[in-house]
Amino acid sequence: DAGVTQSPTHLIKTRGQHVTLRCSPISGHKSVSWYQQVLGQGPQFIFQYYEKEERGRGNFPDRFSARQFPNYSSELNVNALLLGDSALYLCASSSWDRKNYEQYFGPGTRLTVT
Amino acid sequence: DQQVKQNSPSLSVQEGRISILNCDYTNSMFDYFLWYKKYPAEGPTFLISISSIKDKNEDGRFTVFLNKSAKHLSLHIVPSQPGDSAVYFCAASSFYGGSQGNLIFGKGTKLSVKP
Repeated sequence: DAGVTQSPTHLIKTRGQHVTLRCSPISGHKSVSWYQQVLGQGPQFIFQYYEKEERGRGNFPDRFSARQFPNYSSELNVNALLLGDSALYLCASSSWDRKNYEQYFGPGTRLTVT
Repeated sequence: DQQVKQNSPSLSVQEGRISILNCDYTNSMFDYFLWYKKYPAEGPTFLISISSIKDKNEDGRFTVFLNKSAKHLSLHIVPSQPGDSAVYFCAASSFYGGSQGNLIFGKGTKLSVKP
């Protein structure tokens, strides 16, 4: 079975630009979460979506937004990019039941903002 | 303020010996704890979890111990293998308030297993 997939793998953007990252969850998983990981730190929670609704939001500015589609895939959008947005963006999927905490991560999208 | 702390940035162990990775937490509302392994250029891989109602969970070479009174958990790998060399993250979650999708991670411990 395919795991969590993310696209693109790498991305280079300029300050002020906008970026869209994409994620497809494991088949059967209905919840998707997004995390940001900067060098030397653990992943930091950005959003969780379930059944197309936002179920949780971390401490990130409004420049960050996301949505989930009927097929449970998801997009993370970041507007007005800053140098500090350079990071590995991870998508994780889970089944949204009593084991919702058990999340499975994709390979990530490495975003570099210049 | 860090709610999940991994105070050892790195650990070096000889192949075949035990690796013990430690994690401390401050939030008593956490009710699930997880360990992830991460290789460079890959996403974190789920290893093992434990509910706060248990004090031990075992899966093959991996065992996680939870000491709620000390707010401390540890991951034991026995025997350690060179392929275990990776960064290990401790994470915690709270079911209450519907925030179970919000995993709080430590900064990670880099394990090196030497042949």
